[in-house]
Amino acid sequence: GAGVSQSPSNKVTEKGKDVELRCDPISGHTALYWYRQRLGQGLEFLIYFQGNSAPDKSGLPSDRFSAERTGESVSTLTIQRTQQEDSAVYLCASSYSVGTQYFGPGTRLLVL
Amino acid sequence: GESVGLHLPTLSVQEGDNSIINCAYSNSASDYFIWYKQESGKGPQFIIDIRSNMDKRQGQRVTVLLNKTVKHLSLQIAATQPGDSAVYFCAGPTNAGGTSYGKLTFGQGTILTVHP
Repeated sequence: GAGVSQSPSNKVTEKGKDVELRCDPISGHTALYWYRQRLGQGLEFLIYFQGNSAPDKSGLPSDRFSAERTGESVSTLTIQRTQQEDSAVYLCASSYSVGTQYFGPGTRLLVL
Repeated sequence: GESVGLHLPTLSVQEGDNSIINCAYSNSASDYFIWYKQESGKGPQFIIDIRSNMDKRQGQRVTVLLNKTVKHLSLQIAATQPGDSAVYFCAGPTNAGGTSYGKLTFGQGTILTVHP
C-alpha cells in the first residue's frame, strides 16, 4: 500500500479485557515503531523493531503490554487486562533502517 | 536521557501571516531533527527534517532553522493558510549517540490556529 495502515481505527473495550492492535507498515521498510499518544500530549515511545534484531522494548509501560512482528511485515500490539489509563491513540510508524518515520492514522482506544 | 520540548503551546495567526514555532532540545549529540504536523484525528505527517551539519533547510513554504549553540530549532511557515491549522511536533533521536535512526523523542506540540 501507499502508507502505513492500522486497524481497527477505533476500539472501545471494558476494563480487564485484552485488545490487539494491528499495524501494516510500508512495504520495504525494515523498521517499525509503536507510540502512544494521550489526549493533548506528545508521542510516547513504546517499542521498536529493526529487521531481525531483538526489539527495543524499553518504552513498554508494564508487562501487560507486548508486541510482535512477523518478519518485516505486520505487527500486533497486545494490551492485556486493559485499564482506563490505557485509553489513548496508539500510533505505528515505519521507516527504512536509517530514515524518516512515516506514521499510520492510529487506533483510538477507549477503556470503559 | 533525551528531551525535546517546545516554548509555546499555542499560536494563533491570521491567514497570510508568517508563523514561527520553536523547539528546544537537550542532547547536543543529536544529528537529526524532524518536524511533524498532526491534524485532528490523524497520525503525524512528516513536514521537513534537518541534519546537524546544516543551519537551515527550506521546503515548500516551510523553513527549519537549527542553532546548535543554544540547542534550539524553529519551524517557519510562510503565508500561513487555514489548512496549516494543526499541532506541530519537533522530534529528535532518543538514543544517547543522537544518531538518525531508532526511536524518537517528541516535544509536547504547539497548536497552530490560522484565522481566515
